[in-house]
Amino acid sequence: AQSVTQLDSHVSVSEGTPVLLRCNYSSSYSPSLFWYVQHPNKGLQLLLKYTSAATLVKGINGFEAEFKKSETSFHLTKPSAHMSDAAEYFCVVIRGWNNNNDMRFGAGTRLTVKP
Amino acid sequence: KAGVTQTPRYLIKTRGQQVTLSCSPISGHRSVSWYQQTPGQGLQFLFEYFSETQRNKGNFPGRFSGRQFSNSRSEMNVSTLELGDSALYLCASSLGQRNYEQYFGPGTRLTVT
Repeated sequence: AQSVTQLDSHVSVSEGTPVLLRCNYSSSYSPSLFWYVQHPNKGLQLLLKYTSAATLVKGINGFEAEFKKSETSFHLTKPSAHMSDAAEYFCVVIRGWNNNNDMRFGAGTRLTVKP
Repeated sequence: KAGVTQTPRYLIKTRGQQVTLSCSPISGHRSVSWYQQTPGQGLQFLFEYFSETQRNKGNFPGRFSGRQFSNSRSEMNVSTLELGDSALYLCASSLGQRNYEQYFGPGTRLTVT
C-alpha cells in the first residue's frame, strides 16, 4: 500500500537559513508524490509534484524536492527561508495505479520561521 | 480562471442533524475529491467523483455521502451528525487523469455541538 511518513512534526528555522522537511514513502511501484502547503485558515496549495520524470523537481516560491528511490525519500528543501514560508507542509502520495485520485497525506510538518 | 469554491465557509450544527456542503470545481475539471481535516486524524480522503460517478471511496461510514452533477459541481452530505464530525472539509478538483494535480478550495469549517 502507498503511504508517506513525514519525519518531523515541527521544524523551526531562522529567516535566511535553509529549510529541510523530510518525507519517506512506501510504495510497491513507482509512486506519484506531491508537496502541498497550507497557510493558516487557508486551503492547500500545490508546491511541486514528482511523476517519474526528472528526479529533482522544482516548485513554486523557491522550493524543490529530490526523489531518491534508493532511500525512498522525497525531502523538500529551500535554500533560504522567508517569513512567509511559515505554514503547514504536507507530503502526499497518490494511492492506486489507475486513474485514481485517492491521495494519502502525511501527518504534516509545521514550519516556523524566526526573524 | 476562478478557483475552487466551497459554500458555506462556516457551519454550526447540532448532533443528529444532517448537513450538505457544496463545491464548485475549476472550469473544465471533471474530478472532485473530498477530504476531512481534523487535528487528531489529519487529512483523510473521503471520496472522489468523476463524471457524476463515485470513482473511489475512503474509509468513512455510510453517513458520509456525496454526488456530482452534470456541470461537475459536487455536494457532500453527512447525516446524523456526531461531535466527531467537527472538522474542516476540503474539496479539490482536477482534470481527472492520474498525476494531475488537485486544486483545493478554502474549505468548510463544520462545528457540531
